[in-house]
Amino acid sequence: DAGVIQSPRHEVTEMGQEVTLRCKPISGHNSLFWYRQTMMRGLELLIYFNNNVPIDDSGMPEDRFSAKMPNASFSTLKIQPSEPRDSAVYFCASSRQGADTQYFGPGTRLTVL
Amino acid sequence: GDSVTQMEGPVTLSEEAFLTINCTYTATGYPSLFWYVQYPGEGLQLLLKATKADDKGSNKGFEATYRKETTSFHLEKGSVQVSDSAVYFCALRAQGKIIFGKGTRLHILP
Repeated sequence: DAGVIQSPRHEVTEMGQEVTLRCKPISGHNSLFWYRQTMMRGLELLIYFNNNVPIDDSGMPEDRFSAKMPNASFSTLKIQPSEPRDSAVYFCASSRQGADTQYFGPGTRLTVL
Repeated sequence: GDSVTQMEGPVTLSEEAFLTINCTYTATGYPSLFWYVQYPGEGLQLLLKATKADDKGSNKGFEATYRKETTSFHLEKGSVQVSDSAVYFCALRAQGKIIFGKGTRLHILP
């Protein structure tokens, strides 16, 4: 079975550009999570969805960040405009709602110059 | 609020050494506890879990026991291998989401 799929795997962009990260959760999973990982702050939960509805976005750092889940099989995380401090690895994870275990994608390494 | 504290790394050991990575938690109620592992260039994956006090989670030779009295969930392995080199995250589940510790990087020398 396919795991969580993220694209692109690597993204290099210039400050001020819009960045869109994509995630396809595991089929049948109805909870989806976006995380950011940096050396300084470790792994941070940005936002999570249950049944395509955002439940907790308290981790979204600023209005420059937005996330959507238009259907059960696709989510996006958008940064507009991007800044160098947004450079990080962004992970998407999914789970069955209420289940203990989350399944992580391989991550998108974002570099903002 | 709910939180997880784990020992800072990096931890460097020789192959076949005994491993302990300490983890303590703060939470209301009795959360489920986890250890996740992240191999280089990959996402996190569940290593083991325990859902109630005195439960022992185990996988791939790793073990951790849910200790309510000390609010701890220390990770142990009797004989580590080079292939165990990775970053290990202690975590708890609370209010629908998983709260992760900062991670402990483990290096195993041949």
